[in-house]
Amino acid sequence: GDSVTQMEGPVTLSEEAFLTINCTYTATGYPSLFWYVQYPGEGLQLLLKATKADDKGSNKGFEATYRKETTSFHLEKGSVQVSDSAVYFCALSDLVRGANSKLTFGKGITLSVRP
Amino acid sequence: DSGVTQTPKHLITATGQRVTLRCSPRSGDLSVYWYQQSLDQGLQFLIQYYNGEERAKGNILERFSAQQFPDLHSELNLSSLELGDSALYFCASSVGLSGYNEQFFGPGTRLTVL
Repeated sequence: GDSVTQMEGPVTLSEEAFLTINCTYTATGYPSLFWYVQYPGEGLQLLLKATKADDKGSNKGFEATYRKETTSFHLEKGSVQVSDSAVYFCALSDLVRGANSKLTFGKGITLSVRP
Repeated sequence: DSGVTQTPKHLITATGQRVTLRCSPRSGDLSVYWYQQSLDQGLQFLIQYYNGEERAKGNILERFSAQQFPDLHSELNLSSLELGDSALYFCASSVGLSGYNEQFFGPGTRLTVL
């Protein structure tokens, strides 16, 4: 079945540091890939997405490129801010089965950015 | 604000009891999804409805059931509650069935079973 593997956390960085959060996936079809962010006490928000190989999703300084050859969708940001402190989830939606567009999530990783 | 509302925000109940969680999707969205977030299992898909019909089931226990009403709001019913059912339950909605569509998440209902 489909699965998403995220690097182990938590991650603690200083403000303005470079961020990479690794994500790899297994899917039988042609998935769309997503990064969701969960701020403390809130629901999940879509951060960015990519729907086909070599697509780059970007939002709020975050980027991720859909790499089919390495089945990866790593999240990067050049300079993190304290306000980026949150839990980040990598997810996929497999399109092969059409009517079933459920999201399969990774375990999530907590990012803490200190001033 | 995603436009998806969930009530109640918090629910504390005892083992063996039954509860109902309610979700109102964004205006115009026909698909509703339910997810469970727990410390040991992470975020797991439970069930999906589209325009009133069940479309997909995930890791949903037989003690749990859901439905989507003609006004498109959805309810998740949890019965014979156990301690392990304590979790955050999220509802999400999207405009259609396609995996391309963004899912918008509600703020969640935190269920505590004592």
